[in-house]
Amino acid sequence: EVQLVESGGGLVQPGRSLRLSCAASGFTFDDYAMHWVRQAPGKGLEWVSGISWNSGSIGYADSVKGRFTISRDNAKNSLYLQMNSLRAEDTALYYCARERGYSYGTNAFDIWGQGTMVTVSS
Amino acid sequence: EIVLTQSPGTLSLSPGERATLSCRASQSVSSSYLAWYQQKPGQAPRLLIYGASSRATGIPDRFSGSGSGTDFTLTISRLEPEDFAVYYCQQYGSSGTFGQGTKLEIK
Repeated sequence: EVQLVESGGGLVQPGRSLRLSCAASGFTFDDYAMHWVRQAPGKGLEWVSGISWNSGSIGYADSVKGRFTISRDNAKNSLYLQMNSLRAEDTALYYCARERGYSYGTNAFDIWGQGTMVTVSS
Repeated sequence: EIVLTQSPGTLSLSPGERATLSCRASQSVSSSYLAWYQQKPGQAPRLLIYGASSRATGIPDRFSGSGSGTDFTLTISRLEPEDFAVYYCQQYGSSGTFGQGTKLEIK
């Protein structure tokens, strides 16, 4: 079964850091670009960051640029999001999503995890 | 950055009716890199349409997408009870900007 499972969320104080992980299974992980998408409580979807199959192409939303870092370990079938200098407005459910191809930014997101919740509050 | 504006914000229809959802881009979307997703409460989004008009695997043919450039449409030909949800459009060139969503509710 094709599956993405996020972990690493939790309650964190403003200004602190958190690292999210996404474990992939059921498909050849290094054949696909991957993304993080977040959804604040009761709000819409916001694309956060994406990475190509070989980490050669990476992109970030303006709202997280300079604070968040996306990475992947193809040997471990895992995607990561290092989040630094967290703010209250980063509070959201963070989804890991697979792009329908190995390139970055050329296809839609066909597989989604169930998300991990990040709450930034003092 | 391309901004996507969806309309209407809420659409109230009955099962069996036809639904037409709109997505307008602030500038032309390259190569029809436009997708539609469905999201039900407590669930992750599900891909419905990619490339503006291609149905994703397992999506019923009552769902169809059309448009190009800056104007795109998702049509559900005959609404089933399970179709009532929130729908998002997304352009996936360079970044993955989403529209703000259209809530399709039962009238």
